[in-house]
Amino acid sequence: SQKIEQNSEALNIQEGKTATLTCNYTNYSPAYLQWYRQDPGRGPVFLLLIRENEKEKRKERLKVTFDTTLKQSLFHITASQPADSATYLCALVSNYGQNFVFGPGTRLSVLP
Amino acid sequence: AAGVIQSPRHLIKEKRETATLKCYPIPRHDTVYWYQQGPGQDPQFLISFYEKMQSDKGSIPDRFSAQQFSDYHSELNMSSLELGDSALYFCASSVPRVIANTGELFFGEGSRLTVL
Repeated sequence: SQKIEQNSEALNIQEGKTATLTCNYTNYSPAYLQWYRQDPGRGPVFLLLIRENEKEKRKERLKVTFDTTLKQSLFHITASQPADSATYLCALVSNYGQNFVFGPGTRLSVLP
Repeated sequence: AAGVIQSPRHLIKEKRETATLKCYPIPRHDTVYWYQQGPGQDPQFLISFYEKMQSDKGSIPDRFSAQQFSDYHSELNMSSLELGDSALYFCASSVPRVIANTGELFFGEGSRLTVL
């Protein structure tokens, strides 16, 4: 069956460190994968998209990698700040339609 | 810049009542998606519309229906409400694929439905 997993439900790191979040999927062949940030009670906000033919994508302090062989994407936040504390969701397009399927999310807490 | 507008923001209903949620996508976005997010859960895809036609269907209960109108706004109708329907309902829109093939979703702030 199709499944999206994210490394852990919650991740606590110290301010200034690099946070690394993992997204693994099975039985999908996504053309691209996206990462969103969601704050409590708010709608998800798009951060980055990476296509299947791209190995890495960067945007300011964010970096995303995509390994279609491992069926995995890594999401890095460098020089993390308390303001980065949020839930981060990976999303990909399902094989059978145009809808976006979200992973369960990882709640990141950056401690001052 | 204009964002996705959802109304109402909060809604309280009794069991077995009906509710209607509205979504106004960003201007010139032709695709609308509805998601349901329970407490501590990830957003679950319900249904999507492209150019006023249903394009995909997810875990939407038979008690729910939705449509997209000529002005591209969408409505989610929920009948025979159950306690388990209490959730945040998000609408998202995206640009036409012929313009930007990024598939980025722009989410509204959500409508919080509480069923008592």
